[in-house]
Amino acid sequence: QSVLTQPPSVSGAPGQRVTISCTGSSSNIGAGYDVHWYQQLPGTAPKLLIFGYNNRPSGVPDRFSGSKSGTSASLAITGLQAEDEADYYCQSYDTSLSTSYVFGTGTKVTVL
Amino acid sequence: EVQLVESGGDVVQPGGSLRLSCVASGFSFDDYTMHWVRQVPGKGLEWVALISWDGGSTYYGDSVKGRFTISRDNSRHSLSLQMNSLRIEDSALYYCAQEGPDDAFDIWGQGTMVTVSS
Repeated sequence: QSVLTQPPSVSGAPGQRVTISCTGSSSNIGAGYDVHWYQQLPGTAPKLLIFGYNNRPSGVPDRFSGSKSGTSASLAITGLQAEDEADYYCQSYDTSLSTSYVFGTGTKVTVL
Repeated sequence: EVQLVESGGDVVQPGGSLRLSCVASGFSFDDYTMHWVRQVPGKGLEWVALISWDGGSTYYGDSVKGRFTISRDNSRHSLSLQMNSLRIEDSALYYCAQEGPDDAFDIWGQGTMVTVSS
């Protein structure tokens, strides 16, 4: 019962731009808590992709970018590549629950 | 190389106990808050527990509160999760993760599988 909602899947052709939304509420994203994004390639552990809305760890291509507006955040992938096919999760902090760290429901990105 | 390596996953009966371990290398373990996060294969991520850098503060997700205990031994660069009164719904791949200065989960282990089944 995640409090951060993502679309189950998005797809795009190589070179296209895709976006993944992460919809929260006033007790998490809307309260100003940071949103982080993780990429999980098949059969591997999650990897930090974006932290603090739109900061990339060293080694993450600038094709990945994040943004935030109100109670939602988004991850954009421009110049989609075959290697981007993976599951993507947003993550934030929530004050309405005693479970404070929350993940999004996850989005499968398919490269057509 | 910065690394987290989990171990201890196994098949256990409902109501049983299990202790997971995570050994860190390549960074100053005692500088960081550490977490356990789990994932049912094919499903999403669920935060389980955290422990502060010095072990002085611990927090748990509602689904494990009162049954799981997180601990750490900074001298051994190790993190543990004691899981008691296990339920079928606790079956998952358990990851340990380092919380970086940006409050994100910067480093993840490869996970250890826990299966609760009769």
